Amino acid sequence: GAVVSQHPSWVICKSGTSVKIECRSLDFQATTMFWYRQFPKQSLMLMATSNEGSKATYEQGVEKDKFLINHASLTLSTLTVTSAHPEDSSFYICSGSGSYNEQFFGPGTRLTVL
Amino acid sequence: RKEVEQDPGPFNVPEGATVAFNCTYSNSASQSFFWYRQDCRKEPKLLMSVYSSGNEDGRFTAQLNRASQYISLLIRDSKLSDSATYLCVVKGQAGTALIFGKGTTLSVSS
Repeated sequence: GAVVSQHPSWVICKSGTSVKIECRSLDFQATTMFWYRQFPKQSLMLMATSNEGSKATYEQGVEKDKFLINHASLTLSTLTVTSAHPEDSSFYICSGSGSYNEQFFGPGTRLTVL
Repeated sequence: RKEVEQDPGPFNVPEGATVAFNCTYSNSASQSFFWYRQDCRKEPKLLMSVYSSGNEDGRFTAQLNRASQYISLLIRDSKLSDSATYLCVVKGQAGTALIFGKGTTLSVSS
């Protein structure tokens, strides 16, 4: 399958700081990127869907001003958690989808906010 | 009601056992169905797609019943390496996201 990289793989930050997570499709063009969040012992919950060059569509209950998504190119999408708080600590996973409609997952970013 | 519901388990079985997982989904417009496997602190990985005719991949057999909106996964001759969380996943039309169940945890012991 296609390869999606995610960086950083883990990050620890202080409350109130912002954290940027990068998601890159390495060998295909991801026209759509999906961002998920997974809390311990919970399912992956879709946060938002972004199509290249368009504004992201956020799921109900996800604050668009807190979770900023940029998908400016077909190979890169970023998620910025602004003014992070301990309750934002979670496993964030991106997933890219191209012309074949399959979804390929990044390895995830584990965020811990102190 | 959650979109995809699974028995969370855990299922604790000995090596060689046969184990079955079940899943129901609420959106009758769902078009594609999958089982994913997730190891601790890792991203989910596709185990197999699920079709109405049933499909088999080695020791794994998946079944879909669209009328009752029910999906199953059967693992035969369990191995220690099968220990993981198994996620039932559905998808709507093209361009929409995969929707995950909470997962069923399997622990295979020697």
